[in-house]
Amino acid sequence: DTEVTQTPKHLVMGMTNKKSLKCEQHMGHRAMYWYKQKAKKPPELMFVYSYEKLSINESVPSRFSPECPNSSLLNLHLHALQPEDSALYLCASGGRRTDTQYFGPGTRLTVL
Amino acid sequence: AQSVTQPDIHITVSEGASLELRCNYSYGATPYLFWYVQSPGQGLQLLLKYFSGDTLVQGIKGFEAEFKRSQSSFNLRKPSVHWSDAAEYFCAVGLAGSSNTGKLIFGQGTTLQVKP
Repeated sequence: DTEVTQTPKHLVMGMTNKKSLKCEQHMGHRAMYWYKQKAKKPPELMFVYSYEKLSINESVPSRFSPECPNSSLLNLHLHALQPEDSALYLCASGGRRTDTQYFGPGTRLTVL
Repeated sequence: AQSVTQPDIHITVSEGASLELRCNYSYGATPYLFWYVQSPGQGLQLLLKYFSGDTLVQGIKGFEAEFKRSQSSFNLRKPSVHWSDAAEYFCAVGLAGSSNTGKLIFGQGTTLQVKP
């Protein structure tokens, strides 16, 4: 099973709201990723967790706050976002040896 | 610096015709190479990957890719395209580091349109 699930599928929020995106995988992968993707562009890496510890933060603004409660779950907490943060947010998980990443279906975020 | 180039931004082929999507990479070591496909509004689906061994790699949905070290290329092919293959295709290089995380460097993508 190579499934990564993400909720919600769509999210509309105002600039003063606080919301969270959730990601789950049951493949036993120890690395999990958050990406941001704008239309007609490749995904841009935001954060990487390895063994539940934050290992990479690609200089993402602090209004995005990741959390990895356990090896199967990854959250992205959102606060005081800007309209330019509207995008598709993708979660991925990866195995240790192969570095193959498996992506979830994404959350389409709209910031008003 | 590592990079991935997909020279064709947009390709249109007729249904039933053959397809080749180009990918060139720049990487100092033996690369991990991937092709992903993305339908509108969806996540990325792994089509195939190359780590080592046989340079001709078979993937899902009838796709294959050939690794050519001398040309730094990893082109994706399909002998007969179906209308459902219309999507965005991304080539990526995986950076194998000392940590257990593998960063991916993506190309800019190729949009495939299929004519009936």
